[in-house]
Amino acid sequence: DAGVTQSPTHLIKTRGQQVTLRCSPKSGHDTVSWYQQALGQGPQFIFQYYEEEERQRGNFPDRFSGHQFPNYSSELNVNALLLGDSALYLCASSLYRNTEAFFGQGTRLTVV
Amino acid sequence: GIQVEQSPPDLILQEGANSTLRCNFSDSVNNLQWFHQNPWGQLINLFYIPSGTKQNGRLSATTVATERYSLLYISSSQTTDSGVYFCAVPKAAGNKLTFGGGTRVLVKP
Repeated sequence: DAGVTQSPTHLIKTRGQQVTLRCSPKSGHDTVSWYQQALGQGPQFIFQYYEEEERQRGNFPDRFSGHQFPNYSSELNVNALLLGDSALYLCASSLYRNTEAFFGQGTRLTVV
Repeated sequence: GIQVEQSPPDLILQEGANSTLRCNFSDSVNNLQWFHQNPWGQLINLFYIPSGTKQNGRLSATTVATERYSLLYISSSQTTDSGVYFCAVPKAAGNKLTFGGGTRVLVKP
């Protein structure tokens, strides 16, 4: 049984560019949440997708957007990248309203 | 929103020592998770523990929901226990997790 998988594992982008990160949830899970983790801090909630709709959103600008596909996989898109967007991006999967979350290995994004 | 505080922020242990990590939260929650973040960044699930005590090998956790805290015990620590330990609690209405700042543990041989 595959766990939560994310791609790519590492990414280097230039300021102003756009990036897309991908996540496949754990088998049987229907909800995907995205978190941003800056160096030395705890993860911060970006948004959550269920039934292909954004259900909750954290305190992140509109440059951060997402999508969920019918097979429950999800993408996180960030436009107009800033140096401050450099972070580890974590995807978590769960069953909707069952709050136990399982995380992927993360995508480490570096903006130069 | 819910505030989550972890202590201590840093912990250095000699291999074989025992330790206790604490997680305080500011509001009532219906569950709590403990994670270990390995050097590659992945968050490994340790415990899903809304209340009571659970044990898994050398690790155990206790949550006292009425007093808004949880404790993670590491016994007979090993170098592989090194890393950052996070507790996280959900917002009541859904799955959003609010994380504490973590406890960075270094176990020396």
